[in-house]
Amino acid sequence: GDSVTQMEGPVTLSEEAFLTINCTYTATGYPSLFWYVQYPGEGLQLLLKATKADDKGSNKGFEATYRKETTSFHLEKGSVQVSDSAVYFCAPNSGGYNKLIFGAGTRLAVHP
Amino acid sequence: GAGVSQSPRYKVAKRGQDVALRCDPISGHVSLFWYQQALGQGPEFLTYFQNEAQLDKSGLPSDRFFAERPEGSVSTLKIQRTQQEDSAVYLCASSLPGGEQFFGPGTRLTVL
Repeated sequence: GDSVTQMEGPVTLSEEAFLTINCTYTATGYPSLFWYVQYPGEGLQLLLKATKADDKGSNKGFEATYRKETTSFHLEKGSVQVSDSAVYFCAPNSGGYNKLIFGAGTRLAVHP
Repeated sequence: GAGVSQSPRYKVAKRGQDVALRCDPISGHVSLFWYQQALGQGPEFLTYFQNEAQLDKSGLPSDRFFAERPEGSVSTLKIQRTQQEDSAVYLCASSLPGGEQFFGPGTRLTVL
């Protein structure tokens, strides 16, 4: 079945460091790809998405590019802030009604 | 505007009790999803409704789990004879057809 493999956390970085969180997936068909974020004490929020090959999703300084040939959707940010500390989930959708298949999540801790 | 709401936010049940978890989706959202998130894991799909029709219940872990959405709006997830392994956060999400899923804050169920 469809599945997602995410980089294991926790990832600990200093403020202004470069961030990469790797994500690869297996899926039938041609999924859309999503990154969701869960800040401490809050619900899941959509961070960015890409719907077709070579699309780049971006939001709040984060970017991810849909790489069909490598089935990857790595999340990057050039300069992280303390406020980016959260758990990040990669998720392709599946099926005709777009149920999401989540990875295990990667916890990011950014310290000043 | 109002987002997805869930109640109760926290529920403690003794093993063997029945519980009912409620989800109020965003008004006008025909698609409704339930997910289960175990501690330290990503959410896992349980079931999907389009209006009042339950189109996919393939993720329900056992016949003790039952979901309904009788009028195509509010949904209830019921768990009969709860077990310790049912302890998790139960997330509800709603969307327009094929659109972004908006998540509620979740109900944290603890089974003693």
